Amino acid sequence: DAGVIQSPRHEVTEMGQEVTLRCKPISGHNSLFWYRQTMMRGLELLIYFNNNVPIDDSGMPEDRFSAKMPNASFSTLKIQPSEPRDSAVYFCATREEGFQETQYFGPGTRLLVL
Amino acid sequence: AQKITQTQPGMFVQEKEAVTLDCTYDTSDPSYGLFWYKQPSSGEMIFLIYQGSYDQQNATEGRYSLNFQKARKSANLVISASQLGDSAMYFCAMREEGGKLIFGQGTELSVKP
Repeated sequence: DAGVIQSPRHEVTEMGQEVTLRCKPISGHNSLFWYRQTMMRGLELLIYFNNNVPIDDSGMPEDRFSAKMPNASFSTLKIQPSEPRDSAVYFCATREEGFQETQYFGPGTRLLVL
Repeated sequence: AQKITQTQPGMFVQEKEAVTLDCTYDTSDPSYGLFWYKQPSSGEMIFLIYQGSYDQQNATEGRYSLNFQKARKSANLVISASQLGDSAMYFCAMREEGGKLIFGQGTELSVKP
């Protein structure tokens, strides 16, 4: 199994630009989570989907952030316009409902907004 | 309110020795799950071990074991026979209703040769 796939692995952009982060879940996993990791705030949940439907987006910082899951194989997290304070590592994690319900993380996207 | 507390920002252990990383949690839900993840310097989050709130026995996975004390609301990770490759950040997490994970601030473990 390929595991959770995220792209790009690194992104450097200028303030005001649009940034799109992508995630491909593990096949068969029906829940998908977007987390952000910073030194100041640690790991925090932004949004999660269950069967492609957004369930809880209370962690999304503001309207500049949006996330979609058009099908079971793909999700995007978009920041428009980006700001320097958005610089962080963004993780996608997926989970198969049932036993333990363990979340498996992708390698993360390291975002730097200049 | 802090739901997951890791009180040790950093820990040192001698190679081949055992080490315990502390984690306490707070919840009123009768059903919950507790997880430990390892984050090496390369940045990925690696799942180590899981403990369910109804599990009667402490979880074990190879050199990792979880010392689960429900009444004290603690879920400490024990790593036996430490190896240099165990040097990393370790995060305790609790699964809340709906499935989202709440993470502690992490403990940085350094294994000395």
